[in-house]
Amino acid sequence: EAGVAQSPRYKIIEKRQSVAFWCNPISGHATLYWYQQILGQGPKLLIQFQNNGVVDDSQLPKDRFSAERLKGVDSTLKIQPAKLEDSAVYLCASSPNPDSRGQYFGPGTRLTVL
Amino acid sequence: GNSVTQMEGPVTLSEEAFLTINCTYTATGYPSLFWYVQYPGEGLQLLLKATKADDKGSNKGFEATYRKETTSFHLEKGSVQVSDSAVYFCALSDKRSNTGKLIFGQGTTLQVKP
Repeated sequence: EAGVAQSPRYKIIEKRQSVAFWCNPISGHATLYWYQQILGQGPKLLIQFQNNGVVDDSQLPKDRFSAERLKGVDSTLKIQPAKLEDSAVYLCASSPNPDSRGQYFGPGTRLTVL
Repeated sequence: GNSVTQMEGPVTLSEEAFLTINCTYTATGYPSLFWYVQYPGEGLQLLLKATKADDKGSNKGFEATYRKETTSFHLEKGSVQVSDSAVYFCALSDKRSNTGKLIFGQGTTLQVKP
């Protein structure tokens, strides 16, 4: 079974530029999560999708971050414009259902904002 | 609100030593509890989990017991190997919300020396 795929693995941009990350969850997984992991901290949930609908985006900085999952499969997370404090690893995770049995994580995208 | 606190790292041990990484949580109700591991350059992997009080999760020689009375979920291994060197994250999921959202501790780095 293929795992959660993410691309790119690394991205370096200047502040105020835009960037987009892509995630393809495990086949058949209805629930998709985006987490932000700042160096030295645990991951923090940004947004959760159930199929193509948003379940929780309470921690998403909506003035600069956006995410979509149009067909209920893969998802894109965008930052526009980026700030220095957005430097982090962006993790995508998926699960079959939105329950408490655990999630499967992708390798992450490491973003550096200069 | 819900939160997870882990012991500060890094933890440095010699091969075959006994490992304990402390984790305590604050939650309303009885959450599910998890340990995730992040090897260098890789994504988060679920190591073990427990969904109710007194449950013991175990995998690859690691164990953790859900202690409701002390709100703890300490990770233990009887004999560590160099290959266990990684960052370990304790996390909880609030079953009442039924979203599967994970709240992580800050992570504990384990270094095992030959």
